[in-house]
Parts: sequence; C-alpha cells; structure tokens
Amino acid sequence: DAVMTQSPLSLPVTLGQPASISCRSSQSLVRSDGNTYLNWFHQRPGQSPRRLIYQVSNRDSGVPDRFSGSGSGTDFTLKISRVEAEDIGVYYCMQGTHWPHTFGGGTKVEIK
Amino acid sequence: EVQLEESGGDLVQPGGSLRLSCAVSGLTFSNHWMNWVRQGPGKGLEWVANIKPDGSQKYYVDSLEGRFTISRDNARNSVYLQMNSLRVEDTAVYYCTSVSLQTPGDYWGQGTMVTVSS
Repeated sequence: DAVMTQSPLSLPVTLGQPASISCRSSQSLVRSDGNTYLNWFHQRPGQSPRRLIYQVSNRDSGVPDRFSGSGSGTDFTLKISRVEAEDIGVYYCMQGTHWPHTFGGGTKVEIK
Repeated sequence: EVQLEESGGDLVQPGGSLRLSCAVSGLTFSNHWMNWVRQGPGKGLEWVANIKPDGSQKYYVDSLEGRFTISRDNARNSVYLQMNSLRVEDTAVYYCTSVSLQTPGDYWGQGTMVTVSS
C-alpha cells in the first residue's frame, strides 16, 4: 500500500499569514496514464470532509484561490497564502493512484 | 442538489454484522464510482472500499481481511456495505462518498455511526 505521511501533525497559524503542509508518499503517485492522483481534503470540526485540490494542483469548484497545491512524484505541498478563520480544521492528503486508496494522517490547523 | 444519506449504523456486539446503506440523489448515480470512508473516534480518515459504476470492480483496504462487502443497486441509486465479523476496531463514523479523481466534484454524506462493543 502507498503510505502517505503528512507533516507537521499540528500547525498553529496567525490569521493573514501563510501556511504550508507537506505530504510524502512511499511510492510514486504517477499512474500509468501519466496523471498523478493526489488530492487534498479539509475537515472542519463536526463536519464531513470536503476536497480542495485534485490531481496535485487543480482546485475544486468554489475553493478560494488562496489554496494551492504543488509537487510531483512522491512529494507534495498544500499552501494557504493567507489563513482565514474558516480554514481551521484538519487537512488530509489522499492518493488515488494505487489500490487501495490511502489518506495521510492529517494536519490540524489552529489559530495561534 | 446532490445528497448522500447513510443509514444502518448501530451498536453491535463483537462478531456481529451490520449492513450500511447510502441513498444518493441529484447526480447520475450509474456514472459514478462510490466509496465508503470511515473515521474512528478522534482519528483520521480511512478509505474502506469502493465500487465501479457498473459494479464489476470492487476494491478494499487490506486490513478488512474479507469481512466487508461493497455492493450497489443502480436502479435504486444506492450503495451498500455489508460488514461481518465486526471488531471493536471497526467502531467509526462511516461516510458514503463519491469523489471524482479526474474532474472537480466530491460528495459526502453526513456519516452513520457504527459502534462495536460488548
């Protein structure tokens, strides 16, 4: 299985400042079709998850442009250019390249 | 509006069985892969299983050891998760979800709670 490792586990942030979360896979996430199926999800307390990014860097509908994804192969990053209060919660990367699909352990973002 | 509504969660003893259901509306169900994802108390997300639109392919997380079976009924716009030989560690909120890997769009239900305890 592709093991997804996120860092940091906890990320205290200041409103208006940038934030960055790392995700590393134990295997390359480039599939045979040439695409890289790396996704980022956000889960607010008490809510279902919601995807922010698919295929490394594509934002889902309605996702603010302060969120961006980058990376390739086994190393990926989610960046928030200016953190807002609604961004608190837990962020998960998830790979859809290999079966079974797997999530990272999560990064909890909280306001300082 | 797309809606996914799970049902069937309950308190069950170790070794017991449960069948979860998920009713989907607002999208062309027969075109979508469907997934079950779970989240243990205070824990992260774990992908459990998914099923191809026509039901011909199914994939499971290895740790299930063949105890769970995913199925779907495209005529009823529903997906199911049959869970047998339940263990304490299966205790979790189970989410029904459709996540497109290649285009925008992911849909999640509110989750149904499964508690395995004696």
